[in-house]
Amino acid sequence: RKEVEQDPGPFNVPEGATVAFNCTYSNSASQSFFWYRQDCRKEPKLLMSVYSSGNEDGRFTAQLNRASQYISLLIRDCKLSDSATYLCVAPQTGANNLFFGTGTRLTVIP
Amino acid sequence: NAGVTQTPKFQVLKTGQSMTLQCAQDMNHEYMSWYRQDPGMGLRLIHYSVGAGITDQGEVPNGYNVSRSTTEDFPLRLLSAAPSQTSVYFCASSPLYPEKSSYNSPLHFGNGTRLTVT
Repeated sequence: RKEVEQDPGPFNVPEGATVAFNCTYSNSASQSFFWYRQDCRKEPKLLMSVYSSGNEDGRFTAQLNRASQYISLLIRDCKLSDSATYLCVAPQTGANNLFFGTGTRLTVIP
Repeated sequence: NAGVTQTPKFQVLKTGQSMTLQCAQDMNHEYMSWYRQDPGMGLRLIHYSVGAGITDQGEVPNGYNVSRSTTEDFPLRLLSAAPSQTSVYFCASSPLYPEKSSYNSPLHFGNGTRLTVT
């Protein structure tokens, strides 16, 4: 089983829509998680950190469900500029190494 | 602040050639790592380092060497390039995982190096 698994999509949604991505992780001892955003041919950039049950930053909400070992990312009122690939990230226990999901591709349509 | 700087941005090699991908960070981060990113495979860890003089293997280390002589620099060497090493390579750094903390620090990435091996 992969350390982190994501639905690759693609998700094609109209402007103003709400979209949610789920991600499952295999290591039940993991305590901190991240969502990164990656634009085409660019490096991944940190979108949100998730250290407890959830985190909210404007239109973006990340939630953590430890019992089911999944984290989700909710994007409300999607903008054209939200089009990107979203990477779910979980750590190796007790270490600095991070495991990345393969990413979920989002396209916001005018 | 420059952050994480990778060079070159693009490189084409012939099979069997060797080269070094450079990575430098100016954030005084102890942890540095190299990933490769391939379509459908996501980011896979090649090698990592938790401080000067210390390196270790990640998921896909074969065909690559690293060294960490200073905190700032973490070069990745391809010993004898193969077409299977065609990929996008990212260097990343972060503060070291705190010994008494459960929480990791996020990684800061360089701009990437696009390598093609023919």
